[in-house]
Amino acid sequence: DTAVSQTPKYLVTQMGNDKSIKCEQNLGHDTMYWYKQDSKKFLKIMFSYNNKELIINETVPNRFSPKSPDKAHLNLHINSLELGDSAVYFCASSQTGAEKLFFGSGTQLSVL
Amino acid sequence: SQQGEEDPQALSIQEGENATMNCSYKTSINNLQWYRQNSGRGLVHLILIRSNEREKHSGRLRVTLDTSKKSSSLLITASRAADTASYFCATGGVNQAGTALIFGKGTTLSVSS
Repeated sequence: DTAVSQTPKYLVTQMGNDKSIKCEQNLGHDTMYWYKQDSKKFLKIMFSYNNKELIINETVPNRFSPKSPDKAHLNLHINSLELGDSAVYFCASSQTGAEKLFFGSGTQLSVL
Repeated sequence: SQQGEEDPQALSIQEGENATMNCSYKTSINNLQWYRQNSGRGLVHLILIRSNEREKHSGRLRVTLDTSKKSSSLLITASRAADTASYFCATGGVNQAGTALIFGKGTTLSVSS
């Protein structure tokens, strides 16, 4: 069983479209995250949720809206996609705070 | 904000050689972790060292931490082709509530047979 799974793996779309990425973890963790990895492999925290509550919201455009329906799921919705949004988005989870993270396999988003 | 800086950015070695990667960080930490990322995959946790520890081993991995210099090193001994990957250090803040790991830029390791 995959511990942290995210879908889709690849997402190719046009500028201006709205898209969603879904993430689920079956590890029973309390905290989930979205990270963005750019073309230079730099990994930057975007959001963190603990028990469905938003606890970290870095300086991310408000076109990005995370939603956590329950503590096992954290989805990312992106409105009005821009070229600069092209990146790999990783979902991750951990049991508490900034301890060991378990990552999903990533969603490669390409905005044309 | 970026915390860790890995050095070197890229490293190429032969199988059987040792690989050493360094990480420097800026603020006080609770722990420092190393992760591996194979091409096209997610990051995998390798080892965690706490701020009150100086050295830790796991199989062929050896991690050191010098909090006075705000630096850490990862040593992979007797490297194998399968160790080819990017390696990232990540720091956990002192106040763990409401914080997330901050990652460095990574070292790309190539091990040739």
